[in-house]
Amino acid sequence: EVHLLESGGDLVQPGGSLRLSCAASGFSFGTFAMSWVRQAPGKGLEWVSILRSSGSNTYYADSVRGRFTVSRDISKNTLYLQMNSLRVEDTAIYYCVKMKGMDYYNYAMDVWGQGTTVTVSS
Amino acid sequence: QSVLTQPPSVSGAPGQRVTVSCTGGTSNIGAGYDVHWYQQFPGTAPKFLIYSNINRPSGVPDRFSGSRSGTSASLAITGLQAEDEADYYCQSYDSSRSAYVFGSGTKVTVL
Repeated sequence: EVHLLESGGDLVQPGGSLRLSCAASGFSFGTFAMSWVRQAPGKGLEWVSILRSSGSNTYYADSVRGRFTVSRDISKNTLYLQMNSLRVEDTAIYYCVKMKGMDYYNYAMDVWGQGTTVTVSS
Repeated sequence: QSVLTQPPSVSGAPGQRVTVSCTGGTSNIGAGYDVHWYQQFPGTAPKFLIYSNINRPSGVPDRFSGSRSGTSASLAITGLQAEDEADYYCQSYDSSRSAYVFGSGTKVTVL
């Protein structure tokens, strides 16, 4: 069974840093693109970043570019999101998502983790 | 402000048919990018519901269907059931933002 398990969420002060992890199992981790999607309290879904299957191509939402970095360790089947210069507006549940499809522009998000909560507050 | 616009809520009686619209523009749905749909129950992660406009993943009941035309897409639920009460989100790609974008979300209520 395909499974994603996030960890690393915490309460952090504005300007601080945090690293989220996502442990993947049940599929060939290195052959799929992976994304992070977040959901602020009571709000809708917002795509944050994607790591393509090559492992070397990464893309980010304007709201996090320059502050967040997505990476992976294939030997550990784990996806990471390094978050620096955190802001109050980064407060959200962060979901790790497996991407499905043959075409980058038409990827769907077929498997979601249960999410990990990041709270940015003084 | 979401790039894709959905009605905040729709409702219907059990057994009825409801539709959820998703309106975009020429840089996303109108540019031909696929639309996907997700279902989310309170306190849980979203679930993959419809992909590439019309396709259902295995395990999704056939009362859920999707369509796309022009700059819009729709999710239809026929034979509405109490267990379908949830939030529904559409998603596509936007070339002007170089980003995956979501709709604002629609709460479906079963009366």
